[in-house]
Amino acid sequence: NAGVTQTPKFRILKIGQSMTLQCTQDMNHNYMYWYRQDPGMGLKLIYYSVGAGITDKGEVPNGYNVSRSTTEDFPLRLELAAPSQTSVYFCASSYEAGGINEQFFGPGTRLTVL
Amino acid sequence: DAKTTQPPSMDCAEGRAANLPCNHSTISGNEYVYWYRQIHSQGPQYIIHGLKNNETNEMASLIITEDRKSSTLILPHATLRDTAVYYCISHSSASKIIFGSGTRLSIRP
Repeated sequence: NAGVTQTPKFRILKIGQSMTLQCTQDMNHNYMYWYRQDPGMGLKLIYYSVGAGITDKGEVPNGYNVSRSTTEDFPLRLELAAPSQTSVYFCASSYEAGGINEQFFGPGTRLTVL
Repeated sequence: DAKTTQPPSMDCAEGRAANLPCNHSTISGNEYVYWYRQIHSQGPQYIIHGLKNNETNEMASLIITEDRKSSTLILPHATLRDTAVYYCISHSSASKIIFGSGTRLSIRP
């Protein structure tokens, strides 16, 4: 299994541009998550999904959109990129069962907005 | 706000046990305690979880107090490769996941 894969690894955007961060998992996990991590800080949950067709906001959803049309994929869309969105973005997945929810993380996407 | 509180940094001598504390005084009855670690700039890695009882796996042990308001992650024989930021979080499938700032563990040779 490849686990959780994220593309691209690095990206530089200009202010106002848009892009989609891709996330795919091959573990048949029902839950998927997007986090951002600013330098020296912990992870903040942006959006999460408990299954295909179902998404919900986390702590910091403003400026982002998500969709979950399949179990495997959970893309994160940035519209009108701003310097405040410069961060490392991590995607994670888990199989929630009986309240237990161990997350597997991808390697991250480093995004810089100039 | 994070639902857990951890010391910002700790250090431990190589070969000794590293004991990392976590306070989760507002934990709900159905919320598990999870520990993850993040080495350098990699994605976080799951270590262990528990509900009430103490747990042990090949990586670590988790000691949860009887009132469940705090826990301790124990790395029995710390090595230089255990240098990382360790995150303690508490959540259930119904509650949102909130990571705090974690504990930066440094291992001294």
